[in-house]
Amino acid sequence: AQTVTQSQPEMSVQEAETVTLSCTYDTSESDYYLFWYKQPPSRQMILVIRQEAYKQQNATENRFSVNFQKAAKSFSLKISDSQLGDAAMYFCAYRSASAGGTSYGKLTFGQGTILTVHP
Amino acid sequence: GAGVSQSPSNKVTEKGKDVELRCDPISGHTALYWYRQSLGQGLEFLIYFQGNSAPDKSGLPSDRFSAERTGGSVSTLTIQRTQQEDSAVYLCASSLAFVSGNTEAFFGQGTRLTVV
Repeated sequence: AQTVTQSQPEMSVQEAETVTLSCTYDTSESDYYLFWYKQPPSRQMILVIRQEAYKQQNATENRFSVNFQKAAKSFSLKISDSQLGDAAMYFCAYRSASAGGTSYGKLTFGQGTILTVHP
Repeated sequence: GAGVSQSPSNKVTEKGKDVELRCDPISGHTALYWYRQSLGQGLEFLIYFQGNSAPDKSGLPSDRFSAERTGGSVSTLTIQRTQQEDSAVYLCASSLAFVSGNTEAFFGQGTRLTVV
């Protein structure tokens, strides 16, 4: 079974600064997808960024970028120019892409990191 | 509707009662997930439906929990003889068939269950 670990229960950053959230995962599969989701106080989960494991290039979405280290099974999220609206709980997630079996496509989440942004 | 819809938004029930939580996925989405989130905690996987395949029930915490998906669309999560430790937010998500490029899961706003 796959596991996802976020070792930082809480992080804080000053507005306009940069912060990096850590995520590691354990899998025996070679084909999978990785995601970062944001959950603000409204409870609505929002996709921030995704990474296909077969792509070596790190994904970027505006102020959000990832550092994907496949051999190390590491997938960190960097938020640049942090804004007050970035304050939320962030979840790292793994999705199996190995065909066959009941777990094909299953999403597994880490425990989350609460990000506080100070003005 | 445009998004994943869950009902009710909030449910307060007495210990020992049965509850049913409903999830209406986005039309055409064949994958459907249920997760449980305790206060300030991560998402605990409960069950995963993928098209006509047998569901992955490996996350259901006890035999008091069950879920079904009728007609490949609406899903109902049932908790029998509720206990106080069942109090949590129950989140549902759906996604398109798992083919290359269609991997995003969309979440509902959850049902907050309180067992008193």
